[in-house]
Amino acid sequence: EDQVTQSPEALRLQEGESSSLNCSYTVSGLRGLFWYRQDPGKGPEFLFTLYSAGEEKEKERLKATLTKKESFLHITAPKPEDSATYLCAVRGVDSSYKLIFGSGTRLLVRP
Amino acid sequence: DAGVTQSPTHLIKTRGQQVTLRCSPKSGHDTVSWYQQALGQGPQFIFQYYEEEERQRGNFPDRFSGHQFPNYSSELNVNALLLGDSALYLCASSIRPGTSGSYIQYFGAGTRLSVL
Repeated sequence: EDQVTQSPEALRLQEGESSSLNCSYTVSGLRGLFWYRQDPGKGPEFLFTLYSAGEEKEKERLKATLTKKESFLHITAPKPEDSATYLCAVRGVDSSYKLIFGSGTRLLVRP
Repeated sequence: DAGVTQSPTHLIKTRGQQVTLRCSPKSGHDTVSWYQQALGQGPQFIFQYYEEEERQRGNFPDRFSGHQFPNYSSELNVNALLLGDSALYLCASSIRPGTSGSYIQYFGAGTRLSVL
């Protein structure tokens, strides 16, 4: 069964303190790994999609990487406005267009 | 460019009642998926509609049903509400399957359903 596990559950950083969020996945034939950002009371906002091991995507202070078993979301010199829950999701060959989400990492960046 | 819109924003119902949630997809999108998100959890897939037909369904009982209209908007209906149905219901839209970028789903702000 396709599965996604995110760690840590919560992360507190000081402004400027770089770190990484982890997404481990088990899927029968990866057709895409997705990162979303979700602010309280709002819907997930699309950030990146990765399709094959070795692929990397960047956007401002965020960089997503992908291996055959996990993905990392690296946050460089975070700012308080980066505080949010970051969700990882996968789509597998057997799941058509269904996204399977992890429980997310709640990030708090203190000034 | 209008994004995915959902209505209502919040809803309070009692056990046993029925509820209908509505979704308008992002401009240019014709595929709609519904997800349920419990507090502190990731979204869970309910079902997806394309060309007015349910294309795939997650592990949800038949109390959960849906519909897609010719203008691609969609409704989610939940019958015989249970306390455990309290959650944020999210609608996501995407372009037609098989098109470049069709894997990316864009979400609305959701409808917060509380069952008392």
